[in-house]
Amino acid sequence: NAGVTQTPKFQVLKTGQSMTLQCAQDMNHNSMYWYRQDPGMGLRLIYYSASEGTTDKGEVPNGYNVSRLNKREFSLRLESAAPSQTSVYFCATTLRELYGYTFGSGTRLTVV
Amino acid sequence: RKEVEQDPGPFNVPEGATVAFNCTYSNSASQSFFWYRQDCRKEPKLLMSVYSSGNEDGRFTAQLNRASQYISLLIRDSKLSDSATYLCVVSSSGSARQLTFGSGTQLTVLP
Repeated sequence: NAGVTQTPKFQVLKTGQSMTLQCAQDMNHNSMYWYRQDPGMGLRLIYYSASEGTTDKGEVPNGYNVSRLNKREFSLRLESAAPSQTSVYFCATTLRELYGYTFGSGTRLTVV
Repeated sequence: RKEVEQDPGPFNVPEGATVAFNCTYSNSASQSFFWYRQDCRKEPKLLMSVYSSGNEDGRFTAQLNRASQYISLLIRDSKLSDSATYLCVVSSSGSARQLTFGSGTQLTVLP
């Protein structure tokens, strides 16, 4: 099925460890996004990429870095994980914002 | 004040009931409006866009009131399968065209 693929689906990290969340889309969309979802907070934008080669900070970028490797792939890196980064992470893509987003199935991250 | 505010619920309704969700947004420059549905432990999925004139998709009706900065979703003849969290979504402020999500309203349809 065409869509957005995220890996891994689950991850447990120790405080201070690093990891990269991967996202790939086969919809040929320019825009890609990383959100985190916490109980009662809704989805909050971490970083986004309007096109290949560009990235910008969202609402909650601290503690994260991103790479738009090519049109298909947009990765999110935690350099030194903290318990406050325990969350569900969603990658999304869109052709145009007015069409809405398509989301990946999410990565459930626990930092202990 | 949050950019998008929703009543978190939960709404517990019997099968066949009509239920309405409301949402208010703070950015008067918002251009795009949506309702998303999110099942437990799943990703959000687009339910429907919301147009200025209001729009309907089967049992679902969405309304937009720009003057009051208010969006609504009406579900008629509720089904068990409608149980989910419904997210109100609007285009955000700033130069980048992004979407801002409400925290969601939880609906449980009871047999």
